[in-house]
Amino acid sequence: GNSVTQMEGPVTLSEEAFLTINCTYTATGYPSLFWYVQYPGEGLQLLLKATKADDKGSNKGFEATYRKETTSFHLEKGSVQVSDSAVYFCALSDGGGSEKLVFGKGTKLTVNP
Amino acid sequence: AAGVIQSPRHLIKEKRETATLKCYPIPRHDTVYWYQQGPGQDPQFLISFYEKMQSDKGSIPDRFSAQQFSDYHSELNMSSLELGDSALYFCASSFSTGTISYEQYFGPGTRLTVT
Repeated sequence: GNSVTQMEGPVTLSEEAFLTINCTYTATGYPSLFWYVQYPGEGLQLLLKATKADDKGSNKGFEATYRKETTSFHLEKGSVQVSDSAVYFCALSDGGGSEKLVFGKGTKLTVNP
Repeated sequence: AAGVIQSPRHLIKEKRETATLKCYPIPRHDTVYWYQQGPGQDPQFLISFYEKMQSDKGSIPDRFSAQQFSDYHSELNMSSLELGDSALYFCASSFSTGTISYEQYFGPGTRLTVT
C-alpha cells in the first residue's frame, strides 16, 4: 500500500538557520503530495502541495519539489523563525477517486531564539 | 473565510459509553473525511463520504459508524468506548468533481478522553 516516510525528529534549530525535513513516499500511480503543519493544541493546516512531478509547492517561505525519480518531497526553508515551531507532516493522496490522505509520522521542529 | 466546524471540541466519556462527534464542512464542500490521531501519532484515516454516500473506508472499528446528511454535515458515532479510543478526531472537507478531489481543509478536532 501507499506509505510516507519522514525523517525522525525532533529537530531543534536556532533562529535564521536553514531547515530541511526529508520525506519519501511509496505509491502506485501518480499521487499528490502535501505538507501539513500542526501548531500546539491546534488542527492541521495545509502548508503547501504539489500534484505532479517537478511541481514546486511554496508558502510562507517554505518550499518542496515533487521528485518522481527519487520519490521525494523534502521540505525546506532558508531562514526559520521561532513561530515556525510546530509538527510537520508529509502526506500523499493517491487519487483515482480515493482521496484519503496517508501521513508520515510527523517531525517536531523547535526553533530557539 | 468559513472553516470546518467540529463539535464538541472536548468530550469526556467513560468506558462502554457512546459518543457522537459532529462535523460541519466548509460551504459548498461535498466531501467529508474523518481521521483519528492518537497521542504523538500521525492521523489515521477512518472513513469518507461524497455526496452523502460512503466513498472510502479505512481502519474504522466496527463499533464506529458515520454518515453524511442532506446538508453535508457528518456525524461519527462511537459505541462501547474503550480507553484506546482516546484521541483527537479530525474532520476534513473538500470539494470533489467525483473523480478529482481538491485539497482537504481540516477542522480543529474533537479531543475525546475515555476514562
